[in-house]
Amino acid sequence: DAKTTQPPSMDCAEGRAANLPCNHSTISGNEYVYWYRQIHSQGPQYIIHGLKNNETNEMASLIITEDRKSSTLILPHATLRDTAVYYCIVRVPLRYGGATNKLIFGTGTLLAVQP
Amino acid sequence: SQTIHQWPATLVQPVGSPLSLECTVEGTSNPNLYWYRQAAGRGLQLLFYSVGIGQISSEVPQNLSASRPQDRQFILSSKKLLLSDSGFYLCAWSSSEYTDTQYFGPGTRLTVL
Repeated sequence: DAKTTQPPSMDCAEGRAANLPCNHSTISGNEYVYWYRQIHSQGPQYIIHGLKNNETNEMASLIITEDRKSSTLILPHATLRDTAVYYCIVRVPLRYGGATNKLIFGTGTLLAVQP
Repeated sequence: SQTIHQWPATLVQPVGSPLSLECTVEGTSNPNLYWYRQAAGRGLQLLFYSVGIGQISSEVPQNLSASRPQDRQFILSSKKLLLSDSGFYLCAWSSSEYTDTQYFGPGTRLTVL
């Protein structure tokens, strides 16, 4: 079962910031939050991840609340090419002390960027 | 840089026929490898993962099997396909370093008729 809850869909105007929320109230202390996006019929594309601190890269920013029960992905200037399903994912380890991990996908948020 | 390949891109197979999907990774050594399946309109579900040659772990009971004959090759197989095996199959890799990220291939869309 997915450990995250996301709105099924959101709209955003082109050029504006897109803020995608995610709830993960049952997340454990060593579990990371990952964001991927999937354009129709393609493999998911990694965006960003974090554990406790806010993170920023060339694609997006990730804001994680202090209690780690929710997070927000921010696309600062959305373009039409950002239209996709965005998945907020909790990554759980498959083996204690090992490097294999499992991404538990939910159904994601369909972000539609409008011209 | 690392790249991941999957083939075929699409496949239509009759019920009861065998299946072999292949995934290869370039530009890295000893990767962790994963097979996921995505049913229509749903998120991805982990099927198998491998931490090394010949080492396969299954996450869900099913009609499929996986093998890793070489360090950077991961194969998904079935002896007899079922209608319920239809879906979008994705291979992913991650570094064997702790907390590293999974990167997905382009996927194979399988339709069983």
